Amino acid sequence: RKEVEQDPGPFNVPEGATVAFNCTYSNSASQSFFWYRQDCRKEPKLLMSVYSSGNEDGRFTAQLNRASQYISLLIRDSKLSDSATYLCVVNGDDKIIFGKGTRLHILP
Amino acid sequence: DTEVTQTPKHLVMGMTNKKSLKCEQHMGHRAMYWYKQKAKKPPELMFVYSYEKLSINESVPSRFSPECPNSSLLNLHLHALQPEDSALYLCASSRSFQTNTGELFFGEGSRLTVL
Repeated sequence: RKEVEQDPGPFNVPEGATVAFNCTYSNSASQSFFWYRQDCRKEPKLLMSVYSSGNEDGRFTAQLNRASQYISLLIRDSKLSDSATYLCVVNGDDKIIFGKGTRLHILP
Repeated sequence: DTEVTQTPKHLVMGMTNKKSLKCEQHMGHRAMYWYKQKAKKPPELMFVYSYEKLSINESVPSRFSPECPNSSLLNLHLHALQPEDSALYLCASSRSFQTNTGELFFGEGSRLTVL
């Protein structure tokens, strides 16, 4: 099992739709979890930290399920500007592991 | 705007050249990182400096030589590179490494082409 696995992409969804990304991790000792966003030919930028209780920031909701070793990102009312690659990042044992990323295309 | 500044933004070099990539941050972060990213792949960790000391070298070939002159600066010296080393080189920083939570601040990257 890969250390961090994400849904294969690309996801092509119409503007206004809700889209969900999933990510699983193999190290049960992992301590912190993040979603990063990377636009084409740009650097990754932190989108959200993911907490056990779940957290929401506007149209974005992130959730963590430690028992299943699974994190998710939900984007509601998607905008054209949400088109990007979304990277799941897991930290544990002083290692920061990036998932391969899921590409999202929002269609007008 | 990113608070981690990388120069140059673009670099083209021959296989016999010696060049350097530079990275600077003024956020008081004590951990700095070099990542390499190929197209449509996630960033791959190369080196980590913690309190100006090299903490991690992910078995990177010696043609890449990192240097951390002080807590704000990180360099990557390049010598005798191969065309397959062409990639986006990303510098990142975080508050510390030992207690790092994975909150990395990335520079815009230096896009390297080796001819």
